[in-house]
Amino acid sequence: DAGVIQSPRHEVTEMGQEVTLRCKPISGHDYLFWYRQTMMRGLELLIYFNNNVPIDDSGMPEDRFSAKMPNASFSTLKIQPSEPRDSAVYFCASSSAVDTWGEQYFGPGTRLTVT
Amino acid sequence: AQKITQTQPGMFVQEKEAVTLDCTYDTSDPSYGLFWYKQPSSGEMIFLIYQGSYDQQNATEGRYSLNFQKARKSANLVISASQLGDSAMYFCAMREGGTDKLIFGTGTRLQVFP
Repeated sequence: DAGVIQSPRHEVTEMGQEVTLRCKPISGHDYLFWYRQTMMRGLELLIYFNNNVPIDDSGMPEDRFSAKMPNASFSTLKIQPSEPRDSAVYFCASSSAVDTWGEQYFGPGTRLTVT
Repeated sequence: AQKITQTQPGMFVQEKEAVTLDCTYDTSDPSYGLFWYKQPSSGEMIFLIYQGSYDQQNATEGRYSLNFQKARKSANLVISASQLGDSAMYFCAMREGGTDKLIFGTGTRLQVFP
């Protein structure tokens, strides 16, 4: 079975540009999570969805960040406008409510560099 | 207060030896789950093992076992017969019963040498 798929794997952009990160969760999973990983702050949860509905976006740093999940097999994380401090690895993860403790399975991540 | 604490920033172990990576947690929720993830240098986060707070026995998955000591609030990862491919960052995480969120520790970098 395919795991969580993220694209692009690497993104280099200039400050002020719009960036869109994409995620396809594991088929049948009903939870989707977006994380950001930096050396300074470690792994941070940005937002998560249950059955395509955003449940908690308290980790989204500011209004420049937005996330959508138009259907069960696709989600986007958008940054507009991007800033150098947004440089990080962004992970998408999915899980199933069927699993007792809902272990999360991560995608390979998108390494974002904003210059 | 930190909910998940990993006090070992780095650990070394010789190939074929066992190693224990420490994790302590803090919660007042009687229902919770504890997880370990591996992050090799390639960057992906790989789920290894989990333990529920009500599980009577320690979880095991192949060479990985979770030494769960509830009274001490510790959930140490034991890797038996270390291999060079075990060199990676290892993260401990917790999910409390009332939420869907995982809280991660700061990680331990394990290096396995021949």
